[in-house]
Amino acid sequence: KAGVTQTPRYLIKTRGQQVTLSCSPISGHRSVSWYQQTPGQGLQFLFEYFSETQRNKGNFPGRFSGRQFSNSRSEMNVSTLELGDSALYLCASSLSALGNNQPQHFGDGTRLSIL
Amino acid sequence: AQSVAQPEDQVNVAEGNPLTVKCTYSVSGNPYLFWYVQYPNRGLQFLLKYITGDNLVKGSYGFEAEFNKSQTSFHLKKPSALVSDSALYFCAVSLTGANNLFFGTGTRLTVIP
Repeated sequence: KAGVTQTPRYLIKTRGQQVTLSCSPISGHRSVSWYQQTPGQGLQFLFEYFSETQRNKGNFPGRFSGRQFSNSRSEMNVSTLELGDSALYLCASSLSALGNNQPQHFGDGTRLSIL
Repeated sequence: AQSVAQPEDQVNVAEGNPLTVKCTYSVSGNPYLFWYVQYPNRGLQFLLKYITGDNLVKGSYGFEAEFNKSQTSFHLKKPSALVSDSALYFCAVSLTGANNLFFGTGTRLTVIP
């Protein structure tokens, strides 16, 4: 069974640009969550989508947005990039929106560097 | 509000010795607790979880964790460390089992041959 796939693995952008990251969950998983990992702030929850609806949202500015498609694939978009957006962006999928019995499975992430 | 603390940035242990990675939590309800491991340039791998029931939880790769409600702790343990266990370990908590995990700052485990 294929794991969570994130594309691209590495990305370099400049300030002011916008970027779209993609995540394909494990087959059958309907919940997709996004996290940002930085040396300074650690791992922070961005948002979660389930059945094409945003279920939870972390404390990030509106420049960070996402969506989920009917096949459960998800994209996140960051507009007007800032230097501080340089991070590893991790996607995680699980079977249901309530994680109590279903652990999240993470992809290897997209490393975004802002110049 | 919920939070997780991992008081040790770095833990060193000799191969074959028992290891412990510490985690304490704060939640305003029943905690759902998780341990994940991260290898260089990889995502997080799930090790184990505590939802309810037995305080000793067994997980992948010989790891286990003990839930202690009175001390609000969920320490990760392994009886005999392997060099391949060297990695970054994260404790996480969620409220009501939702998928928005709150992570600790991570503990880098180094197993010395």
